[in-house]
Amino acid sequence: GAGVSQSPSNKVTEKGKDVELRCDPISGHTALYWYRQSLGQGLEFLIYFQGNSAPDKSGLPSDRFSAERTGGSVSTLTIQRTQQEDSAVYLCASSLTGGWGETQYFGPGTRLLVL
Amino acid sequence: DQQVKQNSPSLSVQEGRISILNCDYTNSMFDYFLWYKKYPAEGPTFLISISSIKDKNEDGRFTVFLNKSAKHLSLHIVPSQPGDSAVYFCAARDASGTYKYIFGTGTRLKVLA
Repeated sequence: GAGVSQSPSNKVTEKGKDVELRCDPISGHTALYWYRQSLGQGLEFLIYFQGNSAPDKSGLPSDRFSAERTGGSVSTLTIQRTQQEDSAVYLCASSLTGGWGETQYFGPGTRLLVL
Repeated sequence: DQQVKQNSPSLSVQEGRISILNCDYTNSMFDYFLWYKKYPAEGPTFLISISSIKDKNEDGRFTVFLNKSAKHLSLHIVPSQPGDSAVYFCAARDASGTYKYIFGTGTRLKVLA
């Protein structure tokens, strides 16, 4: 199992609660990306980590969203005070260095439903 | 503002025939384009890519065509097989050096046996 893994695969939560989504990238990949796909939409870029550089958070939709990457490996995406519009599939991807033309390898996603 | 558009949400094709999936983009700074394929409950997987310096790239049954003047990209699958049934996403990358891919909304391909 050398692919990108994500947990949980499904999460149902109540509006206003906080959720944490986890991503384990491919071993040795220094670049990690979070995307989300809302119903009927394309994949929307959220945040990018590359090595020890400051992450690019330009895609985060609000300050309720945050992410961290500990030890350059596992990443956690946290959504505080969830809203119904946060319901989506959250996808994590990794690539070797984040360089031009690199293939991004995606995990299976976490399907989040906010009631 | 959708910079990458896949205007056909779904497509049905008979097995053995050609599948043509289309993608239009608006940003002339895009210089690299990719197609990803996604099965239910799985993440997208890379299929084929093309740089803006080319107009065609072929890999087995899959060919991607790029028409820069029309800002149009297409994926041809021939012959189509039932296992090709999936959602196909077109993605583009900005030449300014960003690592971000901008994805389209996807086209669901169904290949009928």
